[in-house]
Amino acid sequence: AQRVTQPEKLLSVFKGAPVELKCNYSYSGSPELFWYVQYSRQRLQLLLRHISRESIKGFTADLNKGETSFHLKKPFAQEEDSAMYYCALKGSSNTGKLIFGQGTTLQVKP
Amino acid sequence: NAGVTQTPKFQVLKTGQSMTLQCAQDMNHEYMSWYRQDPGMGLRLIHYSVGAGITDQGEVPNGYNVSRSTTEDFPLRLLSAAPSQTSVYFCATLWQRKLFFGSGTQLSVL
Repeated sequence: AQRVTQPEKLLSVFKGAPVELKCNYSYSGSPELFWYVQYSRQRLQLLLRHISRESIKGFTADLNKGETSFHLKKPFAQEEDSAMYYCALKGSSNTGKLIFGQGTTLQVKP
Repeated sequence: NAGVTQTPKFQVLKTGQSMTLQCAQDMNHEYMSWYRQDPGMGLRLIHYSVGAGITDQGEVPNGYNVSRSTTEDFPLRLLSAAPSQTSVYFCATLWQRKLFFGSGTQLSVL
């Protein structure tokens, strides 16, 4: 079964501290993985995807197939990073369906 | 471009009432979908459509109907609202493996 697990509901860090938002997935094929972010009073938007191997707003995420993980990392958190973060998995179908994790609220304290 | 537009932003219903959540897009994207967002559950796919005249069920379709008569519109109908349908509803389109979300409809069923 396809599943995405984000074990932390809330992650609270101080400004300047490193951040790691955990994401584990269950999928038998070759997954595509994404991180979406929802800032306060804004729409959900794509943060990054593993196939692009990009760094957005200082965030990176590496797909680890051995550990079936796609953790989101940032070396120095900023207050404006406070938001809800969702990890999402797309299977091999052409339907475009994404399976989302439960979401993690990141709170960056001054 | 307005992108993905959802109306209304807020709605309160009584149990048993029916209503339609509207979703319109001006990006000419073929794929459209509806998600519901619940605390601790993440986003769950209700229904989706890969083009005009084609719809399919997602993860949690019960209690909801959809139709896709045009590329632009993808309304979500609640036939007989139940308190379990209290949620935030998001419409999204897909293009180049990226989901574009509407701003959401917050629905309360009393």
